[in-house]
Amino acid sequence: GDSVTQMEGPVTLSEEAFLTINCTYTATGYPSLFWYVQYPGEGLQLLLKATKADDKGSNKGFEATYRKETTSFHLEKGSVQVSDSAVYFCALRLSYNTDKLIFGTGTRLQVFP
Amino acid sequence: DARVTQTPRDKVTEMGQEVTMRCQPILGHNTVFWYRQTMKQGLELLAYFRNRAPLDDSGMPKDRFSAEMPDATLATLKIQPSEPRDSAVYFCASGLGGVNTGELFFGEGSRLTVL
Repeated sequence: GDSVTQMEGPVTLSEEAFLTINCTYTATGYPSLFWYVQYPGEGLQLLLKATKADDKGSNKGFEATYRKETTSFHLEKGSVQVSDSAVYFCALRLSYNTDKLIFGTGTRLQVFP
Repeated sequence: DARVTQTPRDKVTEMGQEVTMRCQPILGHNTVFWYRQTMKQGLELLAYFRNRAPLDDSGMPKDRFSAEMPDATLATLKIQPSEPRDSAVYFCASGLGGVNTGELFFGEGSRLTVL
């Protein structure tokens, strides 16, 4: 079935370190891909998205490239801040007529000064 | 600032009691989703509506859960009777269909504890 697999957390980094959170997917057709972020005590917020192969989504210094050949959508940031500490969710929307998002299990990022 | 509003923010109840959670989606959004978040299962889709019509509630235990949209400004999720395993954070999200499908706006959640 269609699914999203994320790396286990927590990911613990020092401020200004490089971040990668891996995400791979299994889906029929050509899904749209998303990264959502959840800060403590809040709901999820859309961080970035990509709707077709080779698209790069970017926002707030984060970026992810839709790689069809490796079925991946890894999240990266060149220099993390303490304020980036949150849970990050990779998600996909199947290409046929649906509004449903399938979420991964989330990866907790902890950034220390 | 448009946002999804959920009530209550926190609810503690006894097993067997009825629980109703309410959601006001962002004005103009035509899709509404209910998700449940637990440490064990992560985010689970319970139900979703498009233009107030229920499209998918396959993730919802039908014997005790029900979801409705009495009008475009209100979505409800009801649990009757509640059980300790229902303890979780319940999120409502709304969005626009079409090209923006997949861009969901989440409320802050309703934390439910069933004793």
